[in-house]
Amino acid sequence: GQNIDQPTEMTATEGAIVQINCTYQTSGFNGLFWYQQHAGEAPTFLSYNVLDGLEEKGRFSSFLSRSKGYSYLLLKELQMKDSASYLCAVKDSNYQLIWGAGTKLIIKP
Amino acid sequence: NAGVTQTPKFRVLKTGQSMTLLCAQDMNHEYMYWYRQDPGMGLRLIHYSVGEGTTAKGEVPDGYNVSRLKKQNFLLGLESAAPSQTSVYFCASSYSAGQATGELFFGEGSRLTVL
Repeated sequence: GQNIDQPTEMTATEGAIVQINCTYQTSGFNGLFWYQQHAGEAPTFLSYNVLDGLEEKGRFSSFLSRSKGYSYLLLKELQMKDSASYLCAVKDSNYQLIWGAGTKLIIKP
Repeated sequence: NAGVTQTPKFRVLKTGQSMTLLCAQDMNHEYMYWYRQDPGMGLRLIHYSVGEGTTAKGEVPDGYNVSRLKKQNFLLGLESAAPSQTSVYFCASSYSAGQATGELFFGEGSRLTVL
């Protein structure tokens, strides 16, 4: 079967750095997405990785290792507004998206 | 620019009732999707469409029907609602799919409760 694993919940302090991990086992791989979802709102696109390495976008970075079936989302200089769920999704060999259950990130002052 | 709009935002149904969720997008996207989101689970694809007049089954299609008569609209129907269909439903659209990035744009969600 296909599986995406993420921690259920993480807590971090305002101004700090947090790394959210995602491991996947899918039938094929055609890219990995990270989305942010605030409570009661729609998911919004954060990043896309298809090749190994680090993609940086301001305070957010996403890393991919295809050989290890592993990705992480790195959030720097945390702000209270970063409190949200972070969803990892993998596009499989049929170009269908397989979604993780999401990681709820709680930011404390 | 409205993006993706879903109606209604909230609905309470009794078991056996029917209803339709409407999704409209103004980005001229070819691809549209209906997902459901339940606590502790990832988004699950119900049905999707790769263009006007086309529909296809996703991971959890049973109990749902869809139609894509116009490019900008994608309707999700429940013919006989069941408590197991209590969920938050998200519509999404994308400009491309397959090998292209295919970033999804989501609507705000429709919260459905079936009693």
